[in-house]
Amino acid sequence: DAGVIQSPRHEVTEMGQEVTLRCKPISGHNSLFWYRQTMMRGLELLIYFNNNVPIDDSGMPEDRFSAKMPNASFSTLKIQPSEPRDSAVYFCASTRGESGANVLTFGAGSRLTVL
Amino acid sequence: KQEVTQIPAALSVPEGENLVLNCSFTDSAIYNLQWFRQDPGKGLTSLLLIQSSQREQTSGRLNASLDKSSGRSTLYIAASQPGDSATYLCAVRRGGNKLTFGTGTQLKVEL
Repeated sequence: DAGVIQSPRHEVTEMGQEVTLRCKPISGHNSLFWYRQTMMRGLELLIYFNNNVPIDDSGMPEDRFSAKMPNASFSTLKIQPSEPRDSAVYFCASTRGESGANVLTFGAGSRLTVL
Repeated sequence: KQEVTQIPAALSVPEGENLVLNCSFTDSAIYNLQWFRQDPGKGLTSLLLIQSSQREQTSGRLNASLDKSSGRSTLYIAASQPGDSATYLCAVRRGGNKLTFGTGTQLKVEL
């Protein structure tokens, strides 16, 4: 298995631009998570999906952030408009099941820089 | 609100030394605890997962223990090697699929 695949690996954009991050979870995993990592705040859960349905989006910072999971093999995290304080590494992770009993597998991350 | 603390924040040891990393959490009603490793510029790699009913898990030179009642977990690394240099994070799951991460311990193993 290729693991959790994220794209792009790096993105540099200007303030006000729209940013779309993409994630392909491991085949057979039905739970998907978006995390953000910064030096100041560490790893923060933004949103997670079970069976393509958003379960908890309480970590989404504000309305500028949105996430979708149109099918079991693809998810997007969109920031519109982007701001410099959104600069961070965004991780996607997936696991099998909804109970939390199984290992969470992370992608390599998307490093976002907003100028 | 669950808070997860890792001490020390950074650690430097000579190669071959045995070491212990600490993780503490404020809410003992956890479902399981997971230890991860993160290399610079990379994602997180799962090392060990301990269910709440377990006391420890072992994988090679790694041993993780869990004392739920006191809100503590330790990660023991035997005979450390330079390749063990990384940031180690613990994460607790209270219920459902939501993990709360610690701030991590940055480990450097020197030749």
